[in-house]
Amino acid sequence: DAGVIQSPRHEVTEMGQEVTLRCKPISGHNSLFWYRQTMMRGLELLIYFNNNVPIDDSGMPEDRFSAKMPNASFSTLKIQPSEPRDSAVYFCASSLGLKKETQYFGPGTRLLVL
Amino acid sequence: DQQVKQNSPSLSVQEGRISILNCDYTNSMFDYFLWYKKYPAEGPTFLISISSIKDKNEDGRFTVFLNKSAKHLSLHIVPSQPGDSAVYFCAASETGANSKLTFGKGITLSVRP
Repeated sequence: DAGVIQSPRHEVTEMGQEVTLRCKPISGHNSLFWYRQTMMRGLELLIYFNNNVPIDDSGMPEDRFSAKMPNASFSTLKIQPSEPRDSAVYFCASSLGLKKETQYFGPGTRLLVL
Repeated sequence: DQQVKQNSPSLSVQEGRISILNCDYTNSMFDYFLWYKKYPAEGPTFLISISSIKDKNEDGRFTVFLNKSAKHLSLHIVPSQPGDSAVYFCAASETGANSKLTFGKGITLSVRP
């Protein structure tokens, strides 16, 4: 089992550029979560999907952030335009249903915005 | 405003001794609590959970205690092993299928050989 796959693993970009983070959930899982980890705020839930439909996006910080899940095996988190304060580790997690303990996390994407 | 607080950023213990990781919460609607463990360059992995109807849950070397009146929970690891060195996140949620997890900032545990 490949687990949750995230790409890229590392991203360095300049302020103002568009950044797209990608996630492939575990096959058969129907819930997908995007988290952001920073030193100041810890691990925050940004948005989650159930059966490809966004359920709760209240954690998305502002309109510069958007997420899509066009099908059950792929999701993207886009930041446009990026800012230095967006620098963080972004995790994707998936689960079968919405039970909390069955969330399986990907290895994360470390984003640095210069 | 942090609803789940892990006030100690780090903890160092000797191998074989007990590790106690603390977590406090402010939202009285939280009734389900989890601990996740995270190694460097990996995502968090689920470790143990507890429902508010219990005050203790044990799984091998790991025990979680819940004190609802104090809005406090703790994770005990006995005996601690060097492989337990990681970041431990406390998380909480309200009961319900659409409940989201609220995480603390994490505690870095170092177990000295």
